Amino acid sequence: DQQVKQNSPSLSVQEGRISILNCDYTNSMFDYFLWYKKYPAEGPTFLISISSIKDKNEDGRFTVFLNKSAKHLSLHIVPSQPGDSAVYFCAASGTTSGTYKYIFGTGTRLKVLA
Amino acid sequence: SAVISQKPSRDICQRGTSLTIQCQVDSQVTMMFWYRQQPGQSLTLIATANQGSEATYESGFVIDKFPISRPNLTFSTLTVSNMSPEDSSIYLCSVVGTAYEQYFGPGTRLTVT
Repeated sequence: DQQVKQNSPSLSVQEGRISILNCDYTNSMFDYFLWYKKYPAEGPTFLISISSIKDKNEDGRFTVFLNKSAKHLSLHIVPSQPGDSAVYFCAASGTTSGTYKYIFGTGTRLKVLA
Repeated sequence: SAVISQKPSRDICQRGTSLTIQCQVDSQVTMMFWYRQQPGQSLTLIATANQGSEATYESGFVIDKFPISRPNLTFSTLTVSNMSPEDSSIYLCSVVGTAYEQYFGPGTRLTVT
């Protein structure tokens, strides 16, 4: 049962344009949603998060939008830069069976073309 | 933020042997997680290791196969026991920051032959 899904395995965007990465979840008990970036041979790096009580959070070029009714969140990167090329994971966190845990999506590989 | 180191960074092991992975954090943290990332796949939670209590394992992972120690608030180990080629993966530890964000170690790349 995949509770967090990223349906696009890859995305290519021209430098300077907007990158939009999408994520869907099924469990309405999640209370935080997070985005991570991962380069090869490194651990994931935290990018931005949003609480379930908000619908938008912005940090520089990165904005995360949360639509609770649709159980959908998205990460907008604008303007996109070649250094943004990486695999992006969304994650959802909450208490399940008495334990606080994080569930990750399958990742979207972003390629920003110069 | 937290700085996390893992040892070893990579290893090639023979079938049937065991490997212990160490995770060191530069600050005291309560919650620590161990993940596995198999080739081309997402991060799968193996277990949650909170200091002072037994590790909590996810479905599909058992203590006999993946024993975990958490002797203090800055250190943990994960052992992959009686390894098979299916255990070839990247193993990652992580801790939780003050705003629910997670910080990850660089990972241990394990190849079982």
